[in-house]
Amino acid sequence: GESVGLHLPTLSVQEGDNSIINCAYSNSASDYFIWYKQESGKGPQFIIDIRSNMDKRQGQRVTVLLNKTVKHLSLQIAATQPGDSAVYFCAEIPPLNTDKLIFGTGTRLQVFP
Amino acid sequence: NAGVTQTPKFRVLKTGQSMTLLCAQDMNHEYMYWYRQDPGMGLRLIHYSVGEGTTAKGEVPDGYNVSRLKKQNFLLGLESAAPSQTSVYFCASRDRRGSSYNEQFFGPGTRLTVL
Repeated sequence: GESVGLHLPTLSVQEGDNSIINCAYSNSASDYFIWYKQESGKGPQFIIDIRSNMDKRQGQRVTVLLNKTVKHLSLQIAATQPGDSAVYFCAEIPPLNTDKLIFGTGTRLQVFP
Repeated sequence: NAGVTQTPKFRVLKTGQSMTLLCAQDMNHEYMYWYRQDPGMGLRLIHYSVGEGTTAKGEVPDGYNVSRLKKQNFLLGLESAAPSQTSVYFCASRDRRGSSYNEQFFGPGTRLTVL
């Protein structure tokens, strides 16, 4: 079946360093991949998406990379700040039903001074 | 704009009781979703709606029912609550088109405990 998963459950980084959060997906036919951020006690918040015909997309301090050969997605956060501490989820829009999102299990990012 | 709001924020039920969770959005979005999130896990889709008067099953629909009588509201019902339904429930909405097509807007969540 379809599944989206993450390599690391917890990532600890020092403030100011760059963070890289990884995600593996199984459905090579998915058209869009999306990253969400969830702060403690809040609902998830959209960060950035990337279409399957792209390899890279940049936002404000974030870059998403898509490697379709190995079905791997990553989120890079530049100059990580304490406010970046959260759980990050990757999600995909499955090809057979573009009305839905399938979420991965999440990676917790901890930023220490 | 209030965005997506959920009522109630917290609730404790006894096994077998029923309740309804209310989700409201003021962004005129066509699509609305109900998810559950268990500790250390991602979000799993319960039911969703692509427009007023329509609903569809997600990944984990058993034990839940939904209704979308008005475009701005999406109700999630538990007819006979079970301890396995203890979870945090999130509602989300999404625009049908436009630059934010892939962006789902989430509510703050409802924490439900079934004893």
